[in-house]
Amino acid sequence: EAQVTQNPRYLITVTGKKLTVTCSQNMNHEYMSWYRQDPGLGLRQIYYSMNVEVTDKGDVPEGYKVSRKEKRNFPLILESPSPNQTSLYFCASSLAVTGELFFGEGSRLTVL
Amino acid sequence: ILNVEQSPQSLHVQEGDSTNFTCSFPSSNFYALHWYRWETAKSPEALFVMTLNGDEKKKGRISATLNTKEGYSYLYIKGSQPEDSATYLCASPNDYKLSFGAGTTVTVRA
Repeated sequence: EAQVTQNPRYLITVTGKKLTVTCSQNMNHEYMSWYRQDPGLGLRQIYYSMNVEVTDKGDVPEGYKVSRKEKRNFPLILESPSPNQTSLYFCASSLAVTGELFFGEGSRLTVL
Repeated sequence: ILNVEQSPQSLHVQEGDSTNFTCSFPSSNFYALHWYRWETAKSPEALFVMTLNGDEKKKGRISATLNTKEGYSYLYIKGSQPEDSATYLCASPNDYKLSFGAGTTVTVRA
């Protein structure tokens, strides 16, 4: 089954404790991206990747890092989480930026 | 940040009625326009990806039109049903960034 898998789905952590949200897709997609969703603000792009070892900042990259060492994986790293990073996070992939996005199930992160 | 805007922010429609709402986007450097449907507690799912001016696409009772010269797209729901209740998002790529509008939340009343 074609899918995008994120983990963890839910996480409560404390300020400053490094965490990684994993994302994996099995569709051989080149384009992958991370979004955060906050009430009233819609989906905002954090980082995107056009292919292996090619990543770039989206609209709200501050406080986040990503890597793309393999085509299927695109982890989101919060080196020192802060409460303003409490949000619902989505990973998505597509064949290209102009193609339809396939979304993961979302990861709800709370930073205390 | 690419300015993709949607209106209205929300709307209520009676079951059986038809409705439509708008997505506007910058018309310069246009690549594509995406529509997604997002149900509560689920992930967004693609409805349409449109690339050509004048394009019209249809999926069941939902259809969309595209005007790239003036920078807008309409989404239509014909004969609304309770299962159409969702947030509808549009998005447009700018280079390799994909910017979303804030969405139109549709509530269908039985």
